[in-house]
Amino acid sequence: GAVVSQHPSRVICKSGTSVKIECRSLDFQATTMFWYRQFPKQSLMLMATSNEGSKATYEQGVEKDKFLINHASLTLSTLTVTSAHPEDSSFYICSASRGLRETQYFGPGTRLLVL
Amino acid sequence: AQKVTQAQTEISVVEKEDVTLDCVYETRDTTYYLFWYKQPPSGELVFLIRRNSFDEQNEISGRYSWNFQKSTSSFNFTITASQVVDSAVYFCALSEAGLTGGGNKLTFGTGTQLKVEL
Repeated sequence: GAVVSQHPSRVICKSGTSVKIECRSLDFQATTMFWYRQFPKQSLMLMATSNEGSKATYEQGVEKDKFLINHASLTLSTLTVTSAHPEDSSFYICSASRGLRETQYFGPGTRLLVL
Repeated sequence: AQKVTQAQTEISVVEKEDVTLDCVYETRDTTYYLFWYKQPPSGELVFLIRRNSFDEQNEISGRYSWNFQKSTSSFNFTITASQVVDSAVYFCALSEAGLTGGGNKLTFGTGTQLKVEL
């Protein structure tokens, strides 16, 4: 199989706080993990690509200091939304891939609501 | 630059009807991969199929079938005898076979909302 988990599934926080989202590949080693953001009734927008042991590559327009990504092991990547504001409220989804040209398998997503 | 177009924003069918979801893509690469993912109301993206550009053979998996035609740059998805549980947003995606990194970026279409009613 190819199972990817995300935690938490839902989080509500106050404006100004930081939120960490974990993405884990449960039954395979993920050389690369991807972080997406999805607004209601829209497609997925790639935020960044992270390779294990190296710095993440951010897409144009995504603030790297705002969205901190760490891919410390072959099974875990974290996304930290720093000093969250209401406009950061969204559905964040991660995916994991075994390697070059391999299929991306997606986690169940995290719904973030910033009050 | 690569692009995926899903012209159908929303489709409604009655249970047991067949339905085809269209996907048209653009890419300059000769080697690429095409995907379909299902996103039910829960939000998780479920992988359905992956096709590489050298394999134009159509595929059938239960009630699902896919028609890949390079001549028209299309990768259409048909659900036979649709069921209420098929209600979801379906995304078509394209990945070019780049040489950098582990795994490649996906370019998603805008998705087609399928509603299957009793």
